[in-house]
Amino acid sequence: DSGVTQTPKHLITATGQRVTLRCSPRSGDLSVYWYQQSLDQGLQFLIQYYNGEERAKGNILERFSAQQFPDLHSELNLSSLELGDSALYFCASSVQGTGGVQTQETQYFGPGTRLLVL
Amino acid sequence: QKEVEQDPGPLSVPEGAIVSLNCTYSNSAFQYFMWYRQYSRKGPELLMYTYSSGNKEDGRFTAQVDKSSKYISLFIRDSQPSDSATYLCAMRGTYKYIFGTGTRLKVLA
Repeated sequence: DSGVTQTPKHLITATGQRVTLRCSPRSGDLSVYWYQQSLDQGLQFLIQYYNGEERAKGNILERFSAQQFPDLHSELNLSSLELGDSALYFCASSVQGTGGVQTQETQYFGPGTRLLVL
Repeated sequence: QKEVEQDPGPLSVPEGAIVSLNCTYSNSAFQYFMWYRQYSRKGPELLMYTYSSGNKEDGRFTAQVDKSSKYISLFIRDSQPSDSATYLCAMRGTYKYIFGTGTRLKVLA
């Protein structure tokens, strides 16, 4: 158990809908990262938050947005869902996230949310 | 060209074999190199990390980084059926994490 929690575990929805995925980082971790993993694309970095502020952005679609709250939990919002958005969505956390020494940058992954868009 | 290339496998080996997993990369700015293990679509679990070039050993696992060749390896000695999983290499420059697509390993009893 990495200490990172994600809810829900599974989500089934229809095209055009909007969903929210939630992540609670490990106690003491300030950074949260979101990843999408599909069968043909591997693990794709979406976005990183550090202590409430956006730190880095990857291949995140405009239909997707995220935020990190004062209690450091994070939510990933996916809207106007398409069939191709079906994937595993992982959250990871690290102590820091400022490009510093590795031990503080090590990412610990949650169990993921499996999203199926029908 | 992808920034990180990793053979997807599957790689099947008999129990007790030495396994070699590899990744190549193109961005010389990468300084930190990691290997993650992922069981059947669960969250990736960090196995090893290395800074810059060199070797690092932890139990049955050895990670090697050759920055001059932009090549990293993970060796698993005395492989066990419980090692059957997908192994992901990952690299970081300043902020950006890039993951390989993963190599699926099967260790046969």
